[in-house]
Amino acid sequence: GENVEQHPSTLSVQEGDSAVIKCTYSDSASNYFPWYKQELGKRPQLIIDIRSNVGEKKDQRIAVTLNKTAKHFSLHITETQPEDSAVYFCAGDTGRRALTFGSGTRLQVQP
Amino acid sequence: GAGVSQSPSNKVTEKGKDVELRCDPISGHTALYWYRQSLGQGLEFLIYFQGNSAPDKSGLPSDRFSAERTGGSVSTLTIQRTQQEDSAVYLCASSQNSGAFGELFFGEGSRLTVL
Repeated sequence: GENVEQHPSTLSVQEGDSAVIKCTYSDSASNYFPWYKQELGKRPQLIIDIRSNVGEKKDQRIAVTLNKTAKHFSLHITETQPEDSAVYFCAGDTGRRALTFGSGTRLQVQP
Repeated sequence: GAGVSQSPSNKVTEKGKDVELRCDPISGHTALYWYRQSLGQGLEFLIYFQGNSAPDKSGLPSDRFSAERTGGSVSTLTIQRTQQEDSAVYLCASSQNSGAFGELFFGEGSRLTVL
């Protein structure tokens, strides 16, 4: 089955800096890659997703890039703010079963 | 309802007891998922339902775990003879379709503590 690896496990940046979180996946059949944000004590929520027919997608300060050949995708957050502090999960989906999530990255934005 | 509802929000039980966790998905969502999140860990897939059937039960950790869904709506996750390693937050999510790359809407979770 699909295996999604995510790194780093923790990331600390200064407010205003950029943050990058990277994920790799094993199943070449995966063609949908969402990112979920989980604030402390709250439920995970979808923040952005990308399908395999595109290489990059942006939404304001966040962007996701996908390299299908290398089987990796990344989340980029620019101009980070304290409210970006959370745990971020990447995931891969082959469409044959439920989403497989990465292990999560705890992002801390220092004011 | 407006969102995915889970109950109980917190459950403390003694080792060896059985527990039932309930999930009420968003109305009209055909797919329902159970994930487990141990303290500071990722989201571990347990089982998912499409309607009342469970095409993928591969994540259930042992035969002490079972789940059912009735009427294409409410789901119950049952853990028999609980062990301390079962302590975790059990998250339920629903989506409009499965296999169609839809957004998962999560509940607040049920925090299970096994003493």
